[in-house]
Amino acid sequence: DQQVKQNSPSLSVQEGRISILNCDYTNSMFDYFLWYKKYPAEGPTFLISISSIKDKNEDGRFTVFLNKSAKHLSLHIVPSQPGDSAVYFCAARDSGGGADGLTFGKGTHLIIQP
Amino acid sequence: NAGVMQNPRHLVRRRGQEARLRCSPMKGHSHVYWYRQLPEEGLKFMVYLQKENIIDESGMPKERFSAEFPKEGPSILRIQQVVRGDSAAYFCASSALDSSNQPQHFGDGTRLSIL
Repeated sequence: DQQVKQNSPSLSVQEGRISILNCDYTNSMFDYFLWYKKYPAEGPTFLISISSIKDKNEDGRFTVFLNKSAKHLSLHIVPSQPGDSAVYFCAARDSGGGADGLTFGKGTHLIIQP
Repeated sequence: NAGVMQNPRHLVRRRGQEARLRCSPMKGHSHVYWYRQLPEEGLKFMVYLQKENIIDESGMPKERFSAEFPKEGPSILRIQQVVRGDSAAYFCASSALDSSNQPQHFGDGTRLSIL
């Protein structure tokens, strides 16, 4: 039972355009969401997070949107740069008493075309 | 480098041997988490520890796997009598406080290969 789903295994975007990565979740108890970026042979690097009391959080080129009613979040990267090519993981947590670890999606491989 | 340090980066073991994976959290962090990633999959939570205590091991297989985070020294993930299915990347993460609304920061992982 996959509680965090990233339905696009890969996404190709032209340099300078907007990249939009999507994530859906099924557990209504999740209240904290994060996006991580991962290069091959390295660990995930934290990018941005959002609490369920918000619907938007912005940090530089990265913005995360949360739609609680749809159980959907998205990561926008604008403008996209070649160094953004990586696998992006969506993760979620139930702070109220679920497992203390994060629940991850399977990732989306973002490819930025020059 | 004050990041999460894992060693070894690569570990090869034969079936039946023991594997020991080490993790030193970021400076100032006292909460450690272990995750396993199989090929083409996301990371799966295994265990959450604070110094000298296992807080949540709900993701840990019941047999052959154990974890500790002693008062002094790194956290250790131990896999006894390894089998081929244990081949995976094992990642450690740390956070400063109780992980509520605090991001976890990851090491570069240990890639375990079972011959």
